[in-house]
Amino acid sequence: SQQGEEDPQALSIQEGENATMNCSYKTSINNLQWYRQNSGRGLVHLILIRSNEREKHSGRLRVTLDTSKKSSSLLITASRAADTASYFCATATQGGSEKLVFGKGTKLTVNP
Amino acid sequence: GAGVSQSPSNKVTEKGKDVELRCDPISGHTALYWYRQSLGQGLEFLIYFQGNSAPDKSGLPSDRFSAERTGESVSTLTIQRTQQEDSAVYLCASSFLAGVTDTQYFGPGTRLTVL
Repeated sequence: SQQGEEDPQALSIQEGENATMNCSYKTSINNLQWYRQNSGRGLVHLILIRSNEREKHSGRLRVTLDTSKKSSSLLITASRAADTASYFCATATQGGSEKLVFGKGTKLTVNP
Repeated sequence: GAGVSQSPSNKVTEKGKDVELRCDPISGHTALYWYRQSLGQGLEFLIYFQGNSAPDKSGLPSDRFSAERTGESVSTLTIQRTQQEDSAVYLCASSFLAGVTDTQYFGPGTRLTVL
């Protein structure tokens, strides 16, 4: 079953602009992770935020988590054409097994 | 060694045939996961291995799907009597430790097309 739901489904911006993608989920979580996927193939892990954390940074990435609203956002600052990819959030549910539950993703296009 | 590898990268088969998909995890990773991604969709969990045993097979969509892992290394996902709805990209991931607090490293996937 789908846990994370990203929005928007697609986002097109100009190089240098910031890109914000949102993820909502339904059940209590242990952590939430963001992944990037190029051309529909392998995923690259970007960042993990635990349920007791509110914000995390990694380079040009900033992730926030609001457990009261069951939502997270991924901000990419000063975007580059190379950031063009699909971005997925994945949740690890409390009391669940080791599987990750992925949303359908946001397709980001950064125009040069 | 290198990252997770999967073979074949592409597989085209006829409806009703059996297929085997292979995953070579990162050396030393104890946990291995199979997911599939249908066109334009997110990833759907299939099965998870800890060592050679599979504590969670809850995502396997039907009894046509099975998987095994040997030597705490290579894993094979087998789909019997393939159907057109089995067409998808099948992704394998491994992690050093079991548990979702450990980063899962993904392979490039196998694109399966059932005609």
